[in-house]
Amino acid sequence: AQKITQTQPGMFVQEKEAVTLDCTYDTSDQSYGLFWYKQPSSGEMIFLIYQGSYDEQNATEGRYSLNFQKARKSANLVISASQLGDSAMYFCATTKTGAGRRALTFGSGTRLQVQP
Amino acid sequence: EADIYQTPRYLVIGTGKKITLECSQTMGHDKMYWYQQDPGMELHLIHYSYGVNSTEKGDLSSESTVSRIRTEHFPLTLESARPSHTSQYLCASSDQTGWGEKLFFGSGTQLSVL
Repeated sequence: AQKITQTQPGMFVQEKEAVTLDCTYDTSDQSYGLFWYKQPSSGEMIFLIYQGSYDEQNATEGRYSLNFQKARKSANLVISASQLGDSAMYFCATTKTGAGRRALTFGSGTRLQVQP
Repeated sequence: EADIYQTPRYLVIGTGKKITLECSQTMGHDKMYWYQQDPGMELHLIHYSYGVNSTEKGDLSSESTVSRIRTEHFPLTLESARPSHTSQYLCASSDQTGWGEKLFFGSGTQLSVL
């Protein structure tokens, strides 16, 4: 079974600094995807970045990058130059397989607060 | 970006009422999902559908039911709401295959059962 672990319930960062949000995963699948979503206080889930298990290069999307270490089964999110609008919950997720279907399974999330 | 809509945004009802949470998407996605999320907690898959007339239960047991009569519409129904059903319900859709399957989420319905 797939499992996502996010060990940081809350993080603080100063505006304009970089921050790393940790994510480790446990899967028996050979092929899988790793995702990060942002959830502001308004409640919607916003897709940030995706990494495929066979991608050799770390994914980047603007200020977001995914530090993928396959041997360690970690997929940390790095946010560079933090902005006040980055304050939100951040969820790591992986593709879950089984019983003939695929869906995303999520970690418990990290609440990031960006301070001015 | 996919357009996916959920109504109502907020719902406060009394115990025993029947409710339907609406979810519609305009992108023709075959795959649709319902997730349940308690405040500050992770999302749990409760239902999914891979197309019209296809519905399956997810990982978290739920007393709710779903239907998929049209591609664009995936409503969730609670026949008799209870306080334990108080939660946020998020609908999502996707048309991608393979491991890069990105889900597009609606804004969610925050349900409070008194």
